[in-house]
Amino acid sequence: TQLLEQSPQFLSIQEGENLTVYCNSSSVFSSLQWYRQEPGEGPVLLVTVVTGGEVKKLKRLTFQFGDARKDSSLHITAAQTGDTGLYLCAGNSGNTGKLIFGQGTTLQVKP
Amino acid sequence: DTAVSQTPKYLVTQMGNDKSIKCEQNLGHDTMYWYKQDSKKFLKIMFSYNNKELIINETVPNRFSPKSPDKAHLNLHINSLELGDSAVYFCASSQAISSGANVLTFGAGSRLTVL
Repeated sequence: TQLLEQSPQFLSIQEGENLTVYCNSSSVFSSLQWYRQEPGEGPVLLVTVVTGGEVKKLKRLTFQFGDARKDSSLHITAAQTGDTGLYLCAGNSGNTGKLIFGQGTTLQVKP
Repeated sequence: DTAVSQTPKYLVTQMGNDKSIKCEQNLGHDTMYWYKQDSKKFLKIMFSYNNKELIINETVPNRFSPKSPDKAHLNLHINSLELGDSAVYFCASSQAISSGANVLTFGAGSRLTVL
């Protein structure tokens, strides 16, 4: 069974601080995605990484896919209160379109 | 225009009842999904349909029956509801099944509470 483990599960920081969220697996994924979910809403895609070692930037967010395509990280620079939410990593498994999700990281950014 | 819409958003019902959740997407996508998010926020796939054909059925109790009348709709019917069925159910769609990078668009969720 393929599993994705996210850490930390909860993170509470002050505005302006930096943070990193990790997503690890013993399995190889063809691609890995990061989603953000706000209360009462569904997850919304932030980024997809496909190539081992790939780094993508989205304003203050930096995403990295591990060389072996088994892990990924999300780094947020100078966090803002608007970054508060649930961050989910998800890996593409096989050729059925199945996405396997990590347990999520709940981020709270305090003013 | 909502891309993936599901109704109802909230559903409170008694154990043993039967209920349905409806989902529609206007993105022209070929594939639709049902995911269940538990109280710990863990998202787990239940079913997926590609052009009305069942592709994924993840060991879900047969009290859950998905139905796809056309590729824009995927409904979920649940018989004999149990307390453990309480969760948020998300419908999602994607352009096509892809072994590469399958990107999902989610609905806003339907929170089911079984009393």
